[in-house]
Amino acid sequence: QVQLVQSGAEVKKTGASVKVSCKASGYTFTTSGIIWVRQAPGQGLEWMGWISSGNTNYAQKFQGRVAMTTDTSTSTAYMELRSLRSDDTAVYYCARRFFATEEGQWFDPWGQGTLVTVSS
Amino acid sequence: SFELTQPPSVSVSPGQTARITCSGDALPMQYAYWYQQRPGQAPVLVIYKDSERPSGIPERFSGSSSGTTVTLTISGVQAEDEADYHCQAADSSGTHVVFGGGTKLTVL
Repeated sequence: QVQLVQSGAEVKKTGASVKVSCKASGYTFTTSGIIWVRQAPGQGLEWMGWISSGNTNYAQKFQGRVAMTTDTSTSTAYMELRSLRSDDTAVYYCARRFFATEEGQWFDPWGQGTLVTVSS
Repeated sequence: SFELTQPPSVSVSPGQTARITCSGDALPMQYAYWYQQRPGQAPVLVIYKDSERPSGIPERFSGSSSGTTVTLTISGVQAEDEADYHCQAADSSGTHVVFGGGTKLTVL
């Protein structure tokens, strides 16, 4: 079955960087993009950006601080967030991205999430 | 900027019908999608393209659209439906993604 498995929880210091991985299985990795979404404690979902066929699109809030990459040889996507602040503490999710010109984009399935805790 | 607005909470008794709305100016031009997120779990797609149901999602879940509002309807609510529900759409360019603030469904 289609599955996305993310790397484990991280604890980082303020100002550091974190790199979260998302390994896909059960489908041809290059046929779909990957989206990254985060969820701060008790908050809603926040879109960070997506990567598809090597092209990236980042939410304005994260531009200059985030980098999304893929390794097609291992069917793995990566999200690196730099210059971490305490308000970056959140669960970070990846999801398979579907896109159609007349239908928009949607995400299914999602990875299990990776908790990133940032403290001084 | 494009925003989606959801009520923070909805409460229903078991067996009743729950309706969760999502409003946004771009919704007449963009499809909406709905995700269920149970406590401590990742989101799951329950409705796509306003009203389509993915395989494996119970028939009691349905979606509809009217003007600037889309609605997720859960008929015959069960205890297991207690969760946060998030609507999602793309902006007019189709490149940026927007989520609503989420609605907590409580089954009394």
